[in-house]
Amino acid sequence: QFVLTQPPSASGAPGQRVTISCSASTSNIGSNTVKWYQRLPETAPRLLIYSDSQRPSGVPDRFSGSKSGTSASLAISGLQSEDEADYYCAALDDSLSGWVFGGGTRLTVL
Amino acid sequence: QVQLVQSGAEVARPGASVKVSCKASGYTFTHYAIHWVRQAPEQGLEWMGWIKPGSGDTHLSRKFQGGVTFARDTSASTAYMELTSLSSEDSAVYFCAMLLVDTAFDYWGQGTQVTVSS
Repeated sequence: QFVLTQPPSASGAPGQRVTISCSASTSNIGSNTVKWYQRLPETAPRLLIYSDSQRPSGVPDRFSGSKSGTSASLAISGLQSEDEADYYCAALDDSLSGWVFGGGTRLTVL
Repeated sequence: QVQLVQSGAEVARPGASVKVSCKASGYTFTHYAIHWVRQAPEQGLEWMGWIKPGSGDTHLSRKFQGGVTFARDTSASTAYMELTSLSSEDSAVYFCAMLLVDTAFDYWGQGTQVTVSS
């Protein structure tokens, strides 16, 4: 089973660009795509990115995802106060036959 | 539209059991696995396992084997998660979800707070 490691916190001022990383412990993730979720307090996780870089309908294009090797990133540009939330990466682990979530990153908008 | 609606908050004594339901609508219930995800206080999301409603097959993360059981009622389009021998460490929000690879088809229930307290 691989582990996905995220920084515990990130911050930025309104209008700035913030990047959150998600690093896998093994190369197994290289063949598996990454999802990114936003979790606001008292709400269910909301899918922001799937297949490393695809945005579902309705997700603003301020949110973008990328992956290179065993690391994925979520970038948020034009930061807004409503972006203050917890962000999680996730990937399917074939050896686990299930999903692995990163530890989450709490984003603070200064 | 696809919806997963979970049962309400539960308060239980240590050693007791609770059963959380997840009613699906807006799609064919037997076509997609239902996953369960936990979030303990001040912790991150943690995948627990899945049930395939069509076959009834289940798979649990090793961490949750022994204290968690999944079930489903296809006539009611409802999945269930039962937590047994509860301890304070089981206090958390539990989500049911449809988690698929490489698709925006991704749906979550609203979450069910389980509190274990004497």
